[in-house]
Amino acid sequence: QQQVKQSPQSLIVQKGGIPIINCAYENTAFDYFPWYQQFPGKGPALLIAIRPDVSEKKEGRFTISFNKSAKQFSLHIMDSQPGDSATYFCAASGAGNMLTFGGGTRLMVKP
Amino acid sequence: KAGVTQTPRYLIKTRGQQVTLSCSPISGHRSVSWYQQTPGQGLQFLFEYFSETQRNKGNFPGRFSGRQFSNSRSEMNVSTLELGDSALYLCASAGQGAGEQYFGPGTRLTVT
Repeated sequence: QQQVKQSPQSLIVQKGGIPIINCAYENTAFDYFPWYQQFPGKGPALLIAIRPDVSEKKEGRFTISFNKSAKQFSLHIMDSQPGDSATYFCAASGAGNMLTFGGGTRLMVKP
Repeated sequence: KAGVTQTPRYLIKTRGQQVTLSCSPISGHRSVSWYQQTPGQGLQFLFEYFSETQRNKGNFPGRFSGRQFSNSRSEMNVSTLELGDSALYLCASAGQGAGEQYFGPGTRLTVT
């Protein structure tokens, strides 16, 4: 049972563009929503995370928007660079550290 | 601080064998979780250990087991390996509060 649905599966943008990746969850017990970035041959790296008590969080060029009533959250990457080309995963967890991941989005930023 | 380390990085085993993977968490972290990553199923939670006790368990068969030592280092074991167990096995550590988890580079297991 996939409890976190992520879209799109792949995304191509030009340098400087703003890719947006969306996730939807089902379990209302989730209270922590991180985003991870993964490069080939590496483990996922924590990018940014949000809790349901805020609707937006920014860290550098990365922004999470959170809509609790719609049970959706999204990642925006401002001024995207070729070095941002990677696979991005959204995730969610409730009590404890059991992360449920979305299916991943492969992002390519063209020079 | 040093990050999460996993050994070995690569492993090739034969069907029916068993394998043990090791994970050393970030210093001071007491929670260690294990995940399996495959192209078909994505990232799936295996189990979490906190202070040497299994705190959460994912939906995997009993062939997958783990343990945690008093120094927070963790091992996972897979017995009677199947071809479908070929995957990247990732370990993540977390501090006191629930939330931020930091992943190691993973162990790439190939079962032939």
